[in-house]
Amino acid sequence: DTAVSQTPKYLVTQMGNDKSIKCEQNLGHDTMYWYKQDSKKFLKIMFSYNNKELIINETVPNRFSPKSPDKAHLNLHINSLELGDSAVYFCASSQAFGSNEQFFGPGTRLTVL
Amino acid sequence: GQQLNQSPQSMFIQEGEDVSMNCTSSSIFNTWLWYKQDPGEGPVLLIALYKAGELTSNGRLTAQFGITRKDSFLNISASIPSDVGIYFCAGRYRDDKIIFGKGTRLHILP
Repeated sequence: DTAVSQTPKYLVTQMGNDKSIKCEQNLGHDTMYWYKQDSKKFLKIMFSYNNKELIINETVPNRFSPKSPDKAHLNLHINSLELGDSAVYFCASSQAFGSNEQFFGPGTRLTVL
Repeated sequence: GQQLNQSPQSMFIQEGEDVSMNCTSSSIFNTWLWYKQDPGEGPVLLIALYKAGELTSNGRLTAQFGITRKDSFLNISASIPSDVGIYFCAGRYRDDKIIFGKGTRLHILP
């Protein structure tokens, strides 16, 4: 059983399109995150949700809109995709807000052409 | 804002060698974390450090929380092929903020 799962694993799309990435955790955790890892492997937090409420929004363009329908899911919708959005997007979860151990999903590699 | 300087950026070593990497910052952190990322996977937590001066081991891995709270190091003894990957330090400076270093890429020469 995968603890944190993301779909799709790979996403190739044209500039200007809208796309979504889905994330689910079956760990019973309260907090979920989205990270972006660029081509140099730099890992940067984008959003954090605790019990479906947005806690952290790190200067991410408003083309990115996270949605948490319930505690176990945190989806990421991206409008008007740009070349610079190409990256690997990781979902993660932790037991509670402030917990140090975050469990990461396998990542979604987004390529914008 | 807070930044973590992780070094070295890359390491090329022979199997069996010991490895040392570190993370420094001009800011004080409450917690230091070390993660490993295997190719095509997400990072996995290796060691968490909570107090200045703390030294913690996890198998062949040893990490220390610097006494000034501005640095941490990770040592790997007797490296094996499965140690290959990217090692990230991360620091927590508030309850809601964790930032990651830029990673140390470990390569093991055949």
